[in-house]
Amino acid sequence: QTVVTQEPSLSVSPGGTVTLTCGFTSGSVSTANYPSWCQQTPGQAPRTLIYSTNTRASGVPDRFSGSISGNKAALTITGAQADDESDYYCVLYMNNGISFGGGTKLTVL
Amino acid sequence: QVQLQESGPGLMKPSQTLSLTCTVSGASFSGGGYYWVWIRQHPGKGLEWIGNNYNGGSTYYNPSLKSRVTISIDTSKNQFSLTLSSVTAADTAVYYCARDIWGGVDVWGQGITVTVSS
Repeated sequence: QTVVTQEPSLSVSPGGTVTLTCGFTSGSVSTANYPSWCQQTPGQAPRTLIYSTNTRASGVPDRFSGSISGNKAALTITGAQADDESDYYCVLYMNNGISFGGGTKLTVL
Repeated sequence: QVQLQESGPGLMKPSQTLSLTCTVSGASFSGGGYYWVWIRQHPGKGLEWIGNNYNGGSTYYNPSLKSRVTISIDTSKNQFSLTLSSVTAADTAVYYCARDIWGGVDVWGQGITVTVSS
C-alpha cells in the first residue's frame, strides 16, 4: 500500500492563510487520484470538506479550497478561524483502493 | 437526508469474529454509483481504510486486512456489514461506515467503538 504523507502539525494565526499538503512517498498526486479532504474534531466523526481535488462539500465555507500544487494535493484555508482548529486528513483513490494520509493537526493561535 | 448508523458489539474477546452492521436510511443500494465503505480509527491515531463494496458487486480490501475481512450488502434490509475474523487487541478502534462517491465520502456514520480484550 502506497504511503500518503501529510505535515504532522501546522499552526496559523487567526485571519491568516495556511496550506496543508498531501503527497506520496514516491510519485506524484494527480487529479486521477481524486484527492479529498476531511476534517475531524476530537470525539466526532470526520466531515468531508473537499471532493475530487477542488469541489467543496455542501455547507463548507469558501475559505476552504483544494488544488494540486506541484506533485501534491493541497488544502488552503484563507482567513483561518478559531473553529478551524482540527485534524485534517487527505484521502487518495487508487486502482487498488483508498489511502488516508496520517493527518495534520492544525492549531489556530 | 441520507443517514448511516453502525451497530454491533462494543466488546470482543481475542480470536472472535467481529460483525458490524451499517443501516442506511434515506437511500437504497439500487440507485447505483456508490461505494459502501468501512473505515476505522485506532485510539489517538489516524483514519484507516478497511475496504469497500461497490453496489454488491466488486469488493476492495486493505491488503493488510484482506485475509480477515468481508464487506457485504443486504439489499432486503438496506444494510451493509463488516466481518473481521480472528480479532486481537490491535483491532480495538472506532469503526465508521460511510458512503463514498470515489472522490470523497459524502455520508459518514457516527462511529462505533469496539474494544478487544480478554
